[in-house]
Amino acid sequence: DQQVKQNSPSLSVQEGRISILNCDYTNSMFDYFLWYKKYPAEGPTFLISISSIKDKNEDGRFTVFLNKSAKHLSLHIVPSQPGDSAVYFCAASGYNNNDMRFGAGTRLTVKP
Amino acid sequence: EAQVTQNPRYLITVTGKKLTVTCSQNMNHEYMSWYRQDPGLGLRQIYYSMNVEVTDKGDVPEGYKVSRKEKRNFPLILESPSPNQTSLYFCASSWQGNQPQHFGDGTRLSIL
Repeated sequence: DQQVKQNSPSLSVQEGRISILNCDYTNSMFDYFLWYKKYPAEGPTFLISISSIKDKNEDGRFTVFLNKSAKHLSLHIVPSQPGDSAVYFCAASGYNNNDMRFGAGTRLTVKP
Repeated sequence: EAQVTQNPRYLITVTGKKLTVTCSQNMNHEYMSWYRQDPGLGLRQIYYSMNVEVTDKGDVPEGYKVSRKEKRNFPLILESPSPNQTSLYFCASSWQGNQPQHFGDGTRLSIL
């Protein structure tokens, strides 16, 4: 039972435009959400996170939005750059949990 | 430099031949974890450890063993590997399980 779902396996955008990656979760006990980026032949690297007490968190070109009522979060990348081309994983955990659940990932391609 | 180091990076072996994948971190993290990545399924947790001599099962522990005798090391053991354990494996560490994790670069196992 996948508790974290990324329904778009891939996304292609033009350089300079906005990339929007989506993630849905089913477990209402999740209260901390993260995005990781993964390049080929490397491990995932942490990108940005958001706690359930917020609905938005920004870090430079990256913004994560959380809609708790819809159990949905999204990652916005503005403007997109070719170096952003990677697989993006959404992850979630609960405050008292010792495990983290990951989505299946979305492959982002940013075309020059 | 903060690192999680996995060895080997690649291994091709045969069914039933015991193997160990080592994982070491230099950040003095208390929490360590093993994941496997499979197409369409994302990262699934195999085992995790909250501290020395404390380990617990993740989502897909069958066929795997772990040990945590020292804080820095968390080896993954496949006592009798089978072809369905062919996968890309990642080790990760963090201060706590619900915090951003540092990942190794992965170990690609092929069980024939």
